[in-house]
Amino acid sequence: GQNIDQPTEMTATEGAIVQINCTYQTSGFNGLFWYQQHAGEAPTFLSYNVLDGLEEKGRFSSFLSRSKGYSYLLLKELQMKDSASYLCAVRDSNYQLIWGAGTKLIIKP
Amino acid sequence: ETGVTQTPRHLVMGMTNKKSLKCEQHLGHNAMYWYKQSAKKPLELMFVYNFKEQTENNSVPSRFSPECPNSSHLFLHLHTLQPEDSALYLCASSQRAGEADTQYFGPGTRLTVL
Repeated sequence: GQNIDQPTEMTATEGAIVQINCTYQTSGFNGLFWYQQHAGEAPTFLSYNVLDGLEEKGRFSSFLSRSKGYSYLLLKELQMKDSASYLCAVRDSNYQLIWGAGTKLIIKP
Repeated sequence: ETGVTQTPRHLVMGMTNKKSLKCEQHLGHNAMYWYKQSAKKPLELMFVYNFKEQTENNSVPSRFSPECPNSSHLFLHLHTLQPEDSALYLCASSQRAGEADTQYFGPGTRLTVL
């Protein structure tokens, strides 16, 4: 079966750095997405990785290793507004999105 | 604001009621999706429409009935639901289904079935 694993919950301090990991086993691979979802709001697109390596976008970076079936989302200079759930999703060989259950990130002052 | 709107935002209904959820996208996309999001579970894909044609039905019970009159609008008709159907129902759109593009989500309808 297809599976995406990510931690259920993480806590970090304002101003710090946090890394949210995602591991996957899917039927084929056509890209990996990270979305942010604040409580009661729409998931919003953060990043897309299809080749190995690091993609940087401001305070957020996303890394992919296809050989290891592994990705992480790195958030720097954490702000209180970064408290949200972070969803990892992989597009399989049929171009279907397989979703993780999400990581709830709690930022403390 | 992602360009995808959903109404209502909250809905409480009894098991014998009939109601409809509405989704509208202003992004010029050709594919629309319904997802179910339950607490601490992955998003579950329910239905996919590509150029108004249904291309995916992931074994969804018949008490959920989708309708896509055009590429900008998507409905989910609900009848005789069960309490376990209580969840957040998300609509999304993308340029085309089955291709390497990004999905954009609406804020969802929080459904409670009593």
